[in-house]
Amino acid sequence: DGGITQSPKYLFRKEGQNVTLSCEQNLNHDAMYWYRQDPGQGLRLIYYSQIVNDFQKGDIAEGYSVSREKKESFPLTVTSAQKNPTAFYLCASSVGGNKNIQYFGAGTRLSVL
Amino acid sequence: EDQVTQSPEALRLQEGESSSLNCSYTVSGLRGLFWYRQDPGKGPEFLFTLYSAGEEKEKERLKATLTKKESFLHITAPKPEDSATYLCAGHGSGNTGKLIFGQGTTLQVKP
Repeated sequence: DGGITQSPKYLFRKEGQNVTLSCEQNLNHDAMYWYRQDPGQGLRLIYYSQIVNDFQKGDIAEGYSVSREKKESFPLTVTSAQKNPTAFYLCASSVGGNKNIQYFGAGTRLSVL
Repeated sequence: EDQVTQSPEALRLQEGESSSLNCSYTVSGLRGLFWYRQDPGKGPEFLFTLYSAGEEKEKERLKATLTKKESFLHITAPKPEDSATYLCAGHGSGNTGKLIFGQGTTLQVKP
């Protein structure tokens, strides 16, 4: 089945620790995105990548880092510089271009110990 | 600044009681208006895209419409399984592919 796989489903971070969230897609999509979702707020864009080996900051990139070494993979690292990391993280992908229908993974819930 | 606002924040309906969810937008050069459904603890599921004012799309009990300033998601004779959070997002001009999301409307349909 084609889709977007996020792992793990739940993740706990200790003080001062970096953690990495995985996102893999087998839809052959060029573009991939990371969003953060907090209660009562809309999804906010962290980083996006429109092509392999290239990515751009979104609206709330501080304290996060990404890489795009393969078309199907777009991991997100939450660094110790992100002081309020507790949230639901969503990865999405799209064909790109004008139509830009984004399809989402099931999400990773990150909590701080 | 581009913005998407949804109302109401929460809506409770009895089964069979039709209603509408509103999505007001100020998105420069709107290239698409998207509706998603999100169940608790899961990722958003794509429902519709509308590209121009006057366009309508339907899927089962849901119908989405678009004007130059807002979009409506009409729910006809809802069932308990329609209970979810419905998200609206605008795709503006530029080449980023960025979607601007509203905060969502949480719908509860009681049997």
